[in-house]
Amino acid sequence: EIVMTQSPATLSVSPGERATLSCRASQSVSSNLAWYQQKPGQAPRLLIYGASTRATGIPARFSGSGSGTEFTLTISSLQSEDFAVYYCQQYNNWPPVTFGQGTKVEIK
Amino acid sequence: QVQLQESGPGLVKPSETLSLTCTVSGGSISSYYWSWIRQPAGKGLEWIGRIYTSGSTNYNPSLKSRVTMSVDTSKNQFSLKLSSVTAADTAVYYCARDQGGAVAVSWFDPWGQGTLVTVSS
Repeated sequence: EIVMTQSPATLSVSPGERATLSCRASQSVSSNLAWYQQKPGQAPRLLIYGASTRATGIPARFSGSGSGTEFTLTISSLQSEDFAVYYCQQYNNWPPVTFGQGTKVEIK
Repeated sequence: QVQLQESGPGLVKPSETLSLTCTVSGGSISSYYWSWIRQPAGKGLEWIGRIYTSGSTNYNPSLKSRVTMSVDTSKNQFSLKLSSVTAADTAVYYCARDQGGAVAVSWFDPWGQGTLVTVSS
């Protein structure tokens, strides 16, 4: 089973600033990686798939990069609605697909 | 657009079987893979397994011995059964559409709103 490790666990950022979230895989997952946003009491929402392709309706301030074992989600200018928990998910080696433990982006 | 809604008992006794149904609206259930994913309170996400509209399934090896999934295309529904539950199975259970195909699970979109299942006597 591939272990996904996200860092940091919590990221404190001021509105308007840039946020950079990391996700590391225990072995290569090629570009088979997705990112999700989850707000309290809500289901996860797909942001990025294929490591760098934005899902339908996702604002351009969200971008994904990386391949192999190292991935990054960047939010270029944080808006109030972006404060949430973010998860990465690999779908290269399965079963099972696996998720990271999440990074909470909070208001500084 | 496609919407998913989970339904089922919110409380299950230890050693019994958890049963949930996901109803798909706004589109056909056919020709897609459909997954179940769970999330214990304050924790991360765990993929349980998936089912195709033909009835073909793939399960998480860690849960495989206790999981059964089924599909009813006439009702646009698919279901999850998890047997011999313990407190460790207490979680919010989500259903989601798997954008993958026969040879690969992929990303999940959309998701249902989730339903909390508590295992307690």
